[in-house]
Amino acid sequence: DAGVIQSPRHEVTEMGQEVTLRCKPISGHNSLFWYRQTMMRGLELLIYFNNNVPIDDSGMPEDRFSAKMPNASFSTLKIQPSEPRDSAVYFCASIHRGTEAFFGQGTRLTVV
Amino acid sequence: GEDVEQSLFLSVREGDSSVINCTYTDSSSTYLYWYKQEPGAGLQLLTYIFSNMDMKQDQRLTVLLNKKDKHLSLRIADTQTGDSAIYFCAERANQAGTALIFGKGTTLSVSS
Repeated sequence: DAGVIQSPRHEVTEMGQEVTLRCKPISGHNSLFWYRQTMMRGLELLIYFNNNVPIDDSGMPEDRFSAKMPNASFSTLKIQPSEPRDSAVYFCASIHRGTEAFFGQGTRLTVV
Repeated sequence: GEDVEQSLFLSVREGDSSVINCTYTDSSSTYLYWYKQEPGAGLQLLTYIFSNMDMKQDQRLTVLLNKKDKHLSLRIADTQTGDSAIYFCAERANQAGTALIFGKGTTLSVSS
């Protein structure tokens, strides 16, 4: 298996633009997580899905952030409009019913 | 609420043992993890332990769990310069679809 695949790896965008981050979880994994990593706050859980259903989105910072999981093999995290303080590395992770959570390589977002 | 605490930095000499410590607050935590992050990379799962265990060994890595004190440690024997990275402790409750909650990470610096 190729592991958790995120795209793009790097994104530079101007303030106010819409940004869409993508994640393909490991096949067969039934839970998917979006995390944000910054120097100040470390790894923050934004939202997670179980069997494609959002379970907890209390970590989503504002209404500008939204996430979807239309099927078991794809999820998106959208920021609209983006702001400079959204600059961070965004990670997607997936886990099967068991215990091992695997992370993607992350998307480094820079909003200028 | 859930909280995971780690010391921020650890510096050791090559060949010495490293011990990275972590404390957590959620008594329902069932799975406890150690992840490694190298610069510019994603999180790599090193090892994990069930809360009904008090020790797990995997090659140079030894995990110790004191459930009474909610204290977890990772010992790296014969530390090498390639072990320099950020090490994250994480907890997860024993409920279907729950997320991992991370500490802020310990930066391990290994000097030759």
